[in-house]
Amino acid sequence: AQRVTQPEKLLSVFKGAPVELKCNYSYSGSPELFWYVQYSRQRLQLLLRHISRESIKGFTADLNKGETSFHLKKPFAQEEDSAMYYCALRGGSQGNLIFGKGTKLSVKP
Amino acid sequence: GAVVSQHPSWVICKSGTSVKIECRSLDFQATTMFWYRQFPKQSLMLMATSNEGSKATYEQGVEKDKFLINHASLTLSTLTVTSAHPEDSSFYICSARDRDRAGQPQHFGDGTRLSIL
Repeated sequence: AQRVTQPEKLLSVFKGAPVELKCNYSYSGSPELFWYVQYSRQRLQLLLRHISRESIKGFTADLNKGETSFHLKKPFAQEEDSAMYYCALRGGSQGNLIFGKGTKLSVKP
Repeated sequence: GAVVSQHPSWVICKSGTSVKIECRSLDFQATTMFWYRQFPKQSLMLMATSNEGSKATYEQGVEKDKFLINHASLTLSTLTVTSAHPEDSSFYICSARDRDRAGQPQHFGDGTRLSIL
């Protein structure tokens, strides 16, 4: 079964602290994984995708096929990083996204 | 960049009313659009995949007669919640894939908050 698991509902850190938002997936083929971010009262935005291997706003994520994980990391959290983060897997015959339940990141001053 | 416009952003109506939500791709053409539903503090759940010029593909457990989807053009898909009841109250979000950039991620609309009294 195709599934995305984000074990933490809420992650609270202080400004400047490292952040890791966990994501594990279950997929029988070659996965395509994404991280989306939703700031308060804004639309869902693509943060990064594993194919591009780029760093956006200081965030990186590495696909680990052995551990079936795609954790999102940032070495020094900023207050403006506070938002909901969703890990997603592109699956299905039509390429729809399968979302995890999301992790709310709260960065305190 | 690619923009998806969703309208209305918020609607409140009486039980039994039918509500239409529009999803438009503003600067690209989309043969495929997706409709998601998000309950409070929960994740997005795919409801259906909307294909231009053909019938939508519904996910298991989603009533096709309840949630009518029409994708009549390459830039517009509509979701009509027929005879809405309080349990249909939710946040509905659409996304669209650029027809000419198949490998690119989907673009999301702002969502529509539906409240049925």
